[in-house]
Amino acid sequence: SQQGEEDPQALSIQEGENATMNCSYKTSINNLQWYRQNSGRGLVHLILIRSNEREKHSGRLRVTLDTSKKSSSLLITASRAADTASYFCARPSNFGNEKLTFGTGTRLTIIP
Amino acid sequence: EAQVTQNPRYLITVTGKKLTVTCSQNMNHEYMSWYRQDPGLGLRQIYYSMNVEVTDKGDVPEGYKVSRKEKRNFPLILESPSPNQTSLYFCASSQTGGYGYTFGSGTRLTVV
Repeated sequence: SQQGEEDPQALSIQEGENATMNCSYKTSINNLQWYRQNSGRGLVHLILIRSNEREKHSGRLRVTLDTSKKSSSLLITASRAADTASYFCARPSNFGNEKLTFGTGTRLTIIP
Repeated sequence: EAQVTQNPRYLITVTGKKLTVTCSQNMNHEYMSWYRQDPGLGLRQIYYSMNVEVTDKGDVPEGYKVSRKEKRNFPLILESPSPNQTSLYFCASSQTGGYGYTFGSGTRLTVV
């Protein structure tokens, strides 16, 4: 499969807790991206991490990348009900950025 | 406002009746792409375009056509729709490599 593997497929946590989602891939990358999708809506780009970066932060989001293990993780700290969504990792499947391949996603539910 | 606009949002059609889903972006992005999203299969790329008159197949191009005559527009054409093309379709655009994609709000297509 050209798609990445995301783990877990679904995650439910209490509001205020931290949520961690993982993404593994098979081929070399020049960047890896994370997106959020609220039910049935368009995807929203959250963060991009380049292959020479190990960690990146954006607000309550922290993304790590381990190219030796071909894996990435997305951490959402101090979760809120509004964080309830599906989260996808995506990576270019060719040298450029135009052919972007998505994982199957993690469905995150925040319980108020 | 920077955005990707798709039309229509919802469409019900009959098998074999040609249809076009329009996509337009106002960010002067070079890359544009079409995806379909199906339960359990995630997002799969149909076609992508690197610039005007430059397009290439994604992972599931069968039954679809695209054209890129202007930088801002990237319509998706279904010459003879079939029920297995019932899906949620997304158009997306991006600056050149190293940037995230901006997605449209989606088109929910039902072919009966």
